Amino acid sequence: AQSVSQHNHHVILSEAASLELGCNYSYGGTVNLFWYVQYPGQHLQLLLKYFSGDPLVKGIKGFEAEFIKSKFSFNLRKPSVQWSDTAEYFCAVNLYNTNAGKSTFGDGTTLTVKP
Amino acid sequence: DAGITQSPRHKVTETGTPVTLRCHQTENHRYMYWYRQDPGHGLRLIHYSYGVKDTDKGEVSDGYSVSRSKTEDFLLTLESATSSQTSVYFCAISPGQASYEQYFGPGTRLTVT
Repeated sequence: AQSVSQHNHHVILSEAASLELGCNYSYGGTVNLFWYVQYPGQHLQLLLKYFSGDPLVKGIKGFEAEFIKSKFSFNLRKPSVQWSDTAEYFCAVNLYNTNAGKSTFGDGTTLTVKP
Repeated sequence: DAGITQSPRHKVTETGTPVTLRCHQTENHRYMYWYRQDPGHGLRLIHYSYGVKDTDKGEVSDGYSVSRSKTEDFLLTLESATSSQTSVYFCAISPGQASYEQYFGPGTRLTVT
């Protein structure tokens, strides 16, 4: 079964610092990749996704992620974080040929941005 | 936001009692999912549905059952609640192809005492 690893459980940054959150998955086939964000007290919502084409994808609120197939990675980046980016971030993987669009989620990374 | 509602939003129940959580969607999506979210474990799939009366188990299905009698409703039942089922439960929906993201409901916080 596939698995998703998020290396950082809790990241603390000051405003304007750059962000990179790691995500690695274990599956050798074709995958679709997602980053979701969960703001305090809210439900998960999509930040960005990759399913084909340019491996550098851009999402909402200035986030981007790069798919590196050789490294089985899909790291999330933002050049300058804001206090409002404080949230929990989840990486997720769908297998390309799976039924029902089931996703496997990482354990999440909590980002705290200090004003 | 996708049209997904969950009820109740909060519930406290005693060990051994049955509990049913409801997920309702207005998007007419074929696929629906139930997850539980626990600190340090991310989201774990409990059960999912790929159509009316078509359901299957996820990775943490023990102690849970589901039913889907209409496209818009997906029920999660804890037959006899235990303290280990204290969690936040999220429903999600999707058109179902692997490239589509999932849309999440607001969650139900369940406490089993």
